Amino acid sequence: ETGVTQSPTHLIKTRGQQVTLRCSSQSGHNTVSWYQQALGQGPQFIFQYYREEENGRGNFPPRFSGLQFPNYSSELNVNALELDDSALYLCASSADRGPNSPLHFGNGTRLTVT
Amino acid sequence: GQQVMQIPQYQHVQEGEDFTTYCNSSTTLSNIQWYKQRPGGHPVFLIQLVKSGEVKKQKRLTFQFGEAKKNSSLHITATQTTDVGTYFCAGLTGGSYIPTFGRGTSLIVHP
Repeated sequence: ETGVTQSPTHLIKTRGQQVTLRCSSQSGHNTVSWYQQALGQGPQFIFQYYREEENGRGNFPPRFSGLQFPNYSSELNVNALELDDSALYLCASSADRGPNSPLHFGNGTRLTVT
Repeated sequence: GQQVMQIPQYQHVQEGEDFTTYCNSSTTLSNIQWYKQRPGGHPVFLIQLVKSGEVKKQKRLTFQFGEAKKNSSLHITATQTTDVGTYFCAGLTGGSYIPTFGRGTSLIVHP
């Protein structure tokens, strides 16, 4: 069973640039959630995709957008990067979107915005 | 919106001592999940509680869900250095079932 994989592992961008982060979900999982984790904080929900449709969105501005592909992999795009976007971005897949499907996290992408 | 608070933020213990972290929600939860994140790692699912007053055990770890389904606790008996990490609770409410994470409690175990 292949776990959740994220790429790249680390990324350094300049303020105002755009970034795309990628996530391959665990085999058999159809739901992908993205979280932002600032240093010393808990993961903050960005959005969730279920079978290629957005299933929920947290309190993040529209410059955070995403996609889910037919193979259930996903992308997180962030436009017009700001310094406060520096964080660990975690992708988590789950077997379904219901309450009985815990999150399986990838190792994350560490984004630094300078 | 829903908020999940965790205390304490940090806890230093000597190896062998017990440890407890508490989680409180501003709203009634349908489920609560617990995750552990080792330093430099990613959160790993530990357990989910669903029923009011539920208690579950995993070896030295005991998880409780409050009667009103607004609070939860994780207790570790006789801590070991392998218990080091940050423990997060994540509350789920009916409808979206999207986990809202607390800030976490970082456990530091001194040998």
